[in-house]
Amino acid sequence: DAGVIQSPRHEVTEMGQEVTLRCKPISGHDYLFWYRQTMMRGLELLIYFNNNVPIDDSGMPEDRFSAKMPNASFSTLKIQPSEPRDSAVYFCASSGGGWGSSTSGNTIYFGEGSWLTVV
Amino acid sequence: DAKTTQPNSMESNEEEPVHLPCNHSTISGTDYIHWYRQLPSQGPEYVIHGLTSNVNNRMASLAIAEDRKSSTLILHRATLRDAAVYYCILSLNNDMRFGAGTRLTVKP
Repeated sequence: DAGVIQSPRHEVTEMGQEVTLRCKPISGHDYLFWYRQTMMRGLELLIYFNNNVPIDDSGMPEDRFSAKMPNASFSTLKIQPSEPRDSAVYFCASSGGGWGSSTSGNTIYFGEGSWLTVV
Repeated sequence: DAKTTQPNSMESNEEEPVHLPCNHSTISGTDYIHWYRQLPSQGPEYVIHGLTSNVNNRMASLAIAEDRKSSTLILHRATLRDAAVYYCILSLNNDMRFGAGTRLTVKP
């Protein structure tokens, strides 16, 4: 398996522009996570999906951020409009296994991250 | 939220064992204990996880206290490649939230 695939790997954009980050989870995984990492705040969970349905978006910083998962093999994280404080590494991750009630023992696999700079 | 407490940083010499502690005094009976690590410029990667019993795999060992209020990640022989930030996480229903972790420095 190719692992979790994210694009773009690096993006530099101007303040006010729309940014779309993309993620392809590992095939067969039914959980997908979006994280953001900065020096100041560390690794933050933004939102996660189960079977394409958002379960918890309490970590999404504000209305400028939105995430979608139209199907099991694709998700996007969109920032509109972008601001310099959105500069960070954005990680997508997935996990799965169909454990039934025992859901807490599964491994999360991370992508290589999308390095976003907003100037 | 169940929370974990880890030292900010630790140092080790190459080829020596490393014991990375984690306190989780508010752990619930259904929380799994996960360890991930993040190498420089990479995404976090899975190391090991457990519920009640000690666990071993090719990367490390996980020792869990009898009362489950603490755990220790053991790297049996540290290498330079093990220099990373190590995160101890309690997971509840796949809600995986990372703390600050422990930055491990390995000296040659």
